[in-house]
Amino acid sequence: QVQLVESGGGVVQPGRSLRLSCGASGFSFSGRAMHWVRQAPGKGLEWVAVTSYDGSNKNYADSVKGRFTISRDNSKNTLYLQMNTLRAEDTAVYYCARGASSGWYAYTDYWGQGTLVTVSS
Amino acid sequence: EIVLTQSPGTLSLSPGERATLSCRASQSVSSNFLAWYQQKPGQAPRLLISGASSRATGIPDRFSGSGSGTDFTLTISRLEPEDFAVYYCQQYGSSPQTFGQGTKVEIK
Repeated sequence: QVQLVESGGGVVQPGRSLRLSCGASGFSFSGRAMHWVRQAPGKGLEWVAVTSYDGSNKNYADSVKGRFTISRDNSKNTLYLQMNTLRAEDTAVYYCARGASSGWYAYTDYWGQGTLVTVSS
Repeated sequence: EIVLTQSPGTLSLSPGERATLSCRASQSVSSNFLAWYQQKPGQAPRLLISGASSRATGIPDRFSGSGSGTDFTLTISRLEPEDFAVYYCQQYGSSPQTFGQGTKVEIK
């Protein structure tokens, strides 16, 4: 069965960096686009970033562009989110989600349980 | 970017009643690339509907989606106790993908 397991969350000071990981199993990871979506405490869902199946194309929400980098290692079935220059408003649960196809323009059909990132001094 | 506005914000209903949730887009959703998700407290979202009207695998047929262009609807024909949750619409036809702010379906 499809499994997505996020890790790497925690408490970090404003301006610092953090890298999230998402381990995937139960499907052909290298054949699917992968997304990061976040949810601030008590708030709705916000799409963050997507990478194509082979990592050659990436896209970001304006709120994180230039600060966050999505990447993947298909040999390790792992998705990453490098988050730099973190701000208090980046505090959220970060979900890894599988795209329904290899390209960007698809819904997300499986989600991990999320990892909490808290940006606070 | 396409802004999705969901209404109502909260829907108070009893088990067995029909729920009708609305999602309106600020511009036409390309190819009706509109999905619906259900989220319960402390859980990840779960896909219900894609392509405006196609139920995901394992989703009961009491859930149905309809609409096109800028107006979309999620209908739950008869609410079961496990259906009380928050529901989000999402458009994935234009970049960036965007979500609505959610509709909470609560027990009356």
